[in-house]
Amino acid sequence: DQQVKQNSPSLSVQEGRISILNCDYTNSMFDYFLWYKKYPAEGPTFLISISSIKDKNEDGRFTVFLNKSAKHLSLHIVPSQPGDSAVYFCAAMWSSNTGKLIFGQGTTLQVKP
Amino acid sequence: EPEVTQTPSHQVTQMGQEVILRCVPISNHLYFYWYRQILGQKVEFLVSFYNNEISEKSEIFDDQFSVERPDGSNFTLKIRSTKLEDSAMYFCASTAGVPYTGELFFGEGSRLTVL
Repeated sequence: DQQVKQNSPSLSVQEGRISILNCDYTNSMFDYFLWYKKYPAEGPTFLISISSIKDKNEDGRFTVFLNKSAKHLSLHIVPSQPGDSAVYFCAAMWSSNTGKLIFGQGTTLQVKP
Repeated sequence: EPEVTQTPSHQVTQMGQEVILRCVPISNHLYFYWYRQILGQKVEFLVSFYNNEISEKSEIFDDQFSVERPDGSNFTLKIRSTKLEDSAMYFCASTAGVPYTGELFFGEGSRLTVL
């Protein structure tokens, strides 16, 4: 089941620069897309989401872009901070709203001071 | 800040044994979920639960699995006869209402090791 894919297992950026995490999906029926962040020994923490009817959503340093024609979304973190170092999961859901999220494999972001 | 708590943090069991993983969701939350992550793999949905009923379950959630809210605070996942492939990190999550934006509140997880 590869409905949501994150092809980059890891990403390393310098503090203060932009981090771009990418995600692709195959199911055009998804209604919402989300990013979760996970630190070691903790559960995933919701970061930001975007409806399928939008192409951009911004929350502070975090912006998610959605390209429906390409079935691609990305998370931009500007400026990146060392505390952003974590595993980032892309996820998708249908509007049935049962709380069933389809996760990608995750990308480990390392922000170097 | 309210949080979802899970016990035990780590459980080791023999294949074929029953295991119960416990979760205390955030107190005013009404929707409850279990997810799991096998080492090196994706986080996978297992089941959602509302109003004392399963709302949706995945193919993974077969007859060996069951969920229960035995009292007003706990939400449990029972695996009747564990298999080696049940070894994973199990995450409980909860929400106050229907998660229209997909925001679930996850616990820290319970690591299950089946020998």
